[in-house]
Amino acid sequence: DAGVTQSPTHLIKTRGQQVTLRCSPKSGHDTVSWYQQALGQGPQFIFQYYEEEERQRGNFPDRFSGHQFPNYSSELNVNALLLGDSALYLCASSLVGTASYEQYFGPGTRLTVT
Amino acid sequence: AQSVTQPDIHITVSEGASLELRCNYSYGATPYLFWYVQSPGQGLQLLLKYFSGDTLVQGIKGFEAEFKRSQSSFNLRKPCVHWSDAAEYFCAVGGVYNQGGKLIFGQGTELSVKP
Repeated sequence: DAGVTQSPTHLIKTRGQQVTLRCSPKSGHDTVSWYQQALGQGPQFIFQYYEEEERQRGNFPDRFSGHQFPNYSSELNVNALLLGDSALYLCASSLVGTASYEQYFGPGTRLTVT
Repeated sequence: AQSVTQPDIHITVSEGASLELRCNYSYGATPYLFWYVQSPGQGLQLLLKYFSGDTLVQGIKGFEAEFKRSQSSFNLRKPCVHWSDAAEYFCAVGGVYNQGGKLIFGQGTELSVKP
């Protein structure tokens, strides 16, 4: 049973560029959450998707957007990249409802903005 | 403000010794509580969770945690640490103020294990 997968593993972008990160949830899960983890910090919630809609959003600007597909996979898009966007981006999957808090994380995508 | 505090940034224990990692949260109601572990360059692995019921919960890899409502704490313990336990540990809370599936994480405690 495959767990949560993310691609790519690493990414280097230049300020002002746009980036798309991808996530496939654990088999049987229908909810995907995205987190940003800066170096030396705990993960910060970006948003959560269920039934192809953004269900909950953290304190991130509109430059951060997402999408969920009918197969429950998800993308995170970041526009107009800033140096401060350099971080590990984690995707987590879960089931809807109370179980949505029991989240299983992928290995992350390390984004470096130069 | 809602917060999760892990007071110890870095802890070093000897292999075979016991371990306790501290976690405190500041909410009015009892949230859902979690401990995750993160090895270098890896994602987060769920060690254990508390939703309700027995306040002492068992997790994977021999870890346990105790929820103490009066102290707003959810400390992680292990009686006998192995070298492979060296990693970053994160406490997280969810289910607060109907914020959907959002988890709020502490800043983490880095655990080093000396031979």
